[in-house]
Amino acid sequence: EPEVTQTPSHQVTQMGQEVILRCVPISNHLYFYWYRQILGQKVEFLVSFYNNEISEKSEIFDDQFSVERPDGSNFTLKIRSTKLEDSAMYFCASSEDRVNEQFFGPGTRLTVL
Amino acid sequence: AQRVTQPEKLLSVFKGAPVELKCNYSYSGSPELFWYVQYSRQRLQLLLRHISRESIKGFTADLNKGETSFHLKKPFAQEEDSAMYYCALTTNAGKSTFGDGTTLTVKP
Repeated sequence: EPEVTQTPSHQVTQMGQEVILRCVPISNHLYFYWYRQILGQKVEFLVSFYNNEISEKSEIFDDQFSVERPDGSNFTLKIRSTKLEDSAMYFCASSEDRVNEQFFGPGTRLTVL
Repeated sequence: AQRVTQPEKLLSVFKGAPVELKCNYSYSGSPELFWYVQYSRQRLQLLLRHISRESIKGFTADLNKGETSFHLKKPFAQEEDSAMYYCALTTNAGKSTFGDGTTLTVKP
């Protein structure tokens, strides 16, 4: 059964550095999402992406964040200048359409020192 | 703005007992509602969604628009049901909001 994959599983970075989190969605899916979960807190929506553009974003998704689908396969989340409070688990998800089931990746744990 | 409320952070029941995980929502439009489950050391996965009206692993959830609720129920809980459960609302625009989650523990 196809699955969403994410790399790396754990990323450690220094404050102020740029990080790129990578996701490979399920191949026939058209909608892509990023979520984050700070330790002990709820899953928070960051952004949804369709047809090579952002369709929705939350207030968390500020100018430090960007998403890209560079090659028709990968879906990336870039944090330009990481802050301590960006430390969290980041989940990628994909779905066939906007309101259908979302399939989640295993997550990338980002630690900002 | 949409909001999802799961009032119980922790819920503990004995095996064989009925279980109900509460979810209330607020959204001005017509929502799509889901229950996702995360078992220990596994990824988030869909448990069920309101439009399919099906029972998965013995769980059911009915959308009550009058009470703006989508409570998850199971008549006889099993130990393997122990997990974190999230209620989620997705808008037509594709924005998803998750509740805080409820950790269900089913004791033997």
